[in-house]
Amino acid sequence: GAGVSQSPRYKVAKRGQDVALRCDPISGHVSLFWYQQALGQGPEFLTYFQNEAQLDKSGLPSDRFFAERPEGSVSTLKIQRTQQEDSAVYLCASRETPGGGSPSPLHFGNGTRLTVT
Amino acid sequence: KNQVEQSPQSLIILEGKNCTLQCNYTVSPFSNLRWYKQDTGRGPVSLTIMTFSENTKSNRRYTATLDADTKQSSLHITASQLSDSASYICVVSGNTDKLIFGTGTRLQVFP
Repeated sequence: GAGVSQSPRYKVAKRGQDVALRCDPISGHVSLFWYQQALGQGPEFLTYFQNEAQLDKSGLPSDRFFAERPEGSVSTLKIQRTQQEDSAVYLCASRETPGGGSPSPLHFGNGTRLTVT
Repeated sequence: KNQVEQSPQSLIILEGKNCTLQCNYTVSPFSNLRWYKQDTGRGPVSLTIMTFSENTKSNRRYTATLDADTKQSSLHITASQLSDSASYICVVSGNTDKLIFGTGTRLQVFP
């Protein structure tokens, strides 16, 4: 596809359930980011991959959050034992180049809206 | 305190009018500043990216300015259209890959 694809588009989970959110970045993009966006807020950084290496996971809010990108393309964000405060839109973005401060544009997917009941 | 502050929080204008959105940041060191447009239920889409040495950059009816000395940026929208209704997010990058997002300005354009 031409853009970043995320699935599912919507996910409703009961509190305590595990969820897995998928991101298909643009083919060939080296950098991949996950963000969490609460209603009416800007995206908050969760984690960053350069190819398959997770270079920064400082934004993950707890050890219930885990992300992987085993082959340097598709990435999965897993949330274990979901809590109500995990309800948010989870955005994935990819960028062609690596490197801190790169001016290359970030391409975002449309996000997965997670609702924990 | 958020390192990227945007104002106003929300704005309502009539179709055809101009408007200016503001972004102040304290991120240091500074590498680049981006403006994104986010439609409801969609991911953000890049409008402009400005580096330290750039003062102004235009993209169709959008003109962004940057004053790196005062750490301020603005996004000016000319001859607004109904399709401009969206959130506009200012994003600042230092020398790491952790982009700092503002909370956005919610713009509504009415006919």
